[in-house]
Amino acid sequence: QSVLTQPPSVSGAPGQRITISCYGNTSNIGSGHSVHWYQHVPGEAPKLVIFGNTNRPSGVPDRFSGAKSGSSGSLAITALQPEDEAEYFCQSYDISLSGVVFGGGTKLTVL
Amino acid sequence: ELQLVASGGGLVKPGGSLRLSCVASDFTFSSYAMNWVRRAPGKGLEWVSSIMGDSLYRYYADSVQGRFTISRDNAKKSLYLEMNTLRVEDTAVYYCARWMDTLGYFDLWGQGTQVTVSS
Repeated sequence: QSVLTQPPSVSGAPGQRITISCYGNTSNIGSGHSVHWYQHVPGEAPKLVIFGNTNRPSGVPDRFSGAKSGSSGSLAITALQPEDEAEYFCQSYDISLSGVVFGGGTKLTVL
Repeated sequence: ELQLVASGGGLVKPGGSLRLSCVASDFTFSSYAMNWVRRAPGKGLEWVSSIMGDSLYRYYADSVQGRFTISRDNAKKSLYLEMNTLRVEDTAVYYCARWMDTLGYFDLWGQGTQVTVSS
C-alpha cells in the first residue's frame, strides 16, 4: 500500500489528453511539500518529467504539465504519442515518515 | 555524458550478501546526495537509502535498516550499497539516483541492476 494514491491505469488515443492524479494527505503533499513525476519504461532508467509541482526539466516536451492543489497533485499529457506509453509515478516527502514517498504508479496505455 | 551506471546485481540465496556499485560521469559527484531506489516485480518504486555528499549522514528505509549499508568514494565518483542477510522480498531492480535538495527530487537515474534472492 503506497502512501500516495494513484489510479492503476489510464488510457487514451494518440492526440488525446489524459490526466493522472496523485492523492496524499497533510503529512506529505498537504504539508507544503512538492509533487514530482517520473516516467518509467520497463528496462530503462526512470526519467524525471515534472519537478516542483509544475516545472519541466530541459528536454521534456511541453505536452507534459503538472499541477498541485491542497493534498493532491496531477500530471497532464496532451497530444498523446505512442512513445508516452509507460508507467508514471508521483513522489513527495512525508514529514511523519521522515522520508521520500512514491505513488503506486499509473500505467499509461496509448491505444 | 551525464550519467550513472549501476552494476553488481545477481542471483543470491536468502541470507546471502551482495554489493552494488554505481559510477557517476560528468558532474561534481561530491556535491550531491545520492540514493538507491528499487522496484520489485509488480510493485512500485521504493526509496531504499541515501547518503549526503560528505558521507556524514546516511538514511535507510525501515525495510533494510540494519541489513544494508550505503557508502561512497568521491575520489572514484562511486556509490555503493552493501546488502547483507538478503531476503526474497529484496528481489528488485536497484537504481542509483542523484538527489536535488532544493525541492527534494531525483533528477538523474542510472539504468538499474537486477537483484534476485531465491533458493
